[in-house]
Amino acid sequence: KAGVTQTPRYLIKTRGQQVTLSCSPISGHRSVSWYQQTPGQGLQFLFEYFSETQRNKGNFPGRFSGRQFSNSRSEMNVSTLELGDSALYLCASSPGEVETQYFGPGTRLLVL
Amino acid sequence: AQSVAQPEDQVNVAEGNPLTVKCTYSVSGNPYLFWYVQYPNRGLQFLLKYITGDNLVKGSYGFEAEFNKSQTSFHLKKPSALVSDSALYFCAVRDRTAGFQKLVFGTGTRLLVSP
Repeated sequence: KAGVTQTPRYLIKTRGQQVTLSCSPISGHRSVSWYQQTPGQGLQFLFEYFSETQRNKGNFPGRFSGRQFSNSRSEMNVSTLELGDSALYLCASSPGEVETQYFGPGTRLLVL
Repeated sequence: AQSVAQPEDQVNVAEGNPLTVKCTYSVSGNPYLFWYVQYPNRGLQFLLKYITGDNLVKGSYGFEAEFNKSQTSFHLKKPSALVSDSALYFCAVRDRTAGFQKLVFGTGTRLLVSP
């Protein structure tokens, strides 16, 4: 099976802009989670979607949002970008609730 | 709150020697524990997990981990290190108080295997 894919792999934006990141899970996986990785804060949970419903959300401002489509593909959006949003954004998919999460290669976002 | 701690920022080991990367956890209830590895400019690769059962868990690439409930530890081990094992290793616990798929990660341990 193909692994988790994320697009784009690299992105450069300026402050105030918005950005949309995409994640395609492993075929058959219905759960998609998003994480932010930064040198200062490490890996932090953003949110998780299952069957198009957001089931859990981390401690991030409302500028961070996401959605999941009927084919389990997911997008996350960050509006009004700040310098501190520069990070590696990782998507992970899982077949269900208690299964292992498998991660994609990430999207590296740089905000100037 | 559920948490894991990785007390060592870096572990250095010579190729061919055994390696240990330490992880301790703090959870309410039974822990679901994971180890992931990250190579430069890559995502996280799953190595192994402990849900229940045997305390010694075997995973990918010759890695194993020992679950110790009395010491609340889940140390990652490999009998003979390879230079290619050099990477960043993360211990994680499923945050069951938050439900579902939220993983709480440690700060990571950089493993450097010298030839």
